[in-house]
Amino acid sequence: DGGITQSPKYLFRKEGQNVTLSCEQNLNHDAMYWYRQDPGQGLRLIYYSQIVNDFQKGDIAEGYSVSREKKESFPLTVTSAQKNPTAFYLCASSIGRSTGNTIYFGEGSWLTVV
Amino acid sequence: QKEVEQNSGPLSVPEGAIASLNCTYSDRGSQSFFWYRQYSGKSPELIMFIYSNGDKEDGRFTAQLNKASQYVSLLIRDSQPSDSATYLCAVTMNRDDKIIFGKGTRLHILP
Repeated sequence: DGGITQSPKYLFRKEGQNVTLSCEQNLNHDAMYWYRQDPGQGLRLIYYSQIVNDFQKGDIAEGYSVSREKKESFPLTVTSAQKNPTAFYLCASSIGRSTGNTIYFGEGSWLTVV
Repeated sequence: QKEVEQNSGPLSVPEGAIASLNCTYSDRGSQSFFWYRQYSGKSPELIMFIYSNGDKEDGRFTAQLNKASQYVSLLIRDSQPSDSATYLCAVTMNRDDKIIFGKGTRLHILP
């Protein structure tokens, strides 16, 4: 089935530890995105990538890093520099630059600092 | 001005009535507009998209776009308890193709 797969669904991070969230899509989409959602809040853009080997910072990129080595994959690393990482993380993809650039989401990953 | 604004609600609507959700955006050149529904603890799911001024209907849902006034709305007819969720408005920014979301409106359908 075509779709976006995020893993793990639940992740616990210790203070000072880096963690990586996986995102894989088999929709042949050019663009991929990472959003963060805090309880009762909207989605905030962390990073996005319109093409392989290129990505741009979103509104809250500090403390996060990404890579886009393959079209299908856009992993997000939450570094120790991110002081308040507990949130719901959503990966998404779309066909790319065009009118009608509908964005589709994975099921999300819950990250908790312990 | 925030890029995409929505009233956070909650908006309470009796079952069977029409629910009206509104969204305004700041980038006058934006071309693509989306409505997503999000149940608690789940990821957003696409309800409708609209690109042209006017109305677009899909079942019980109607999206309305007015680019001159920079607002987009979603009407839900014959509201059902299963429509109770948070509705997110999303807009593609013309300047950089980023897709920006509003904070969402919580809708509560009263049985």
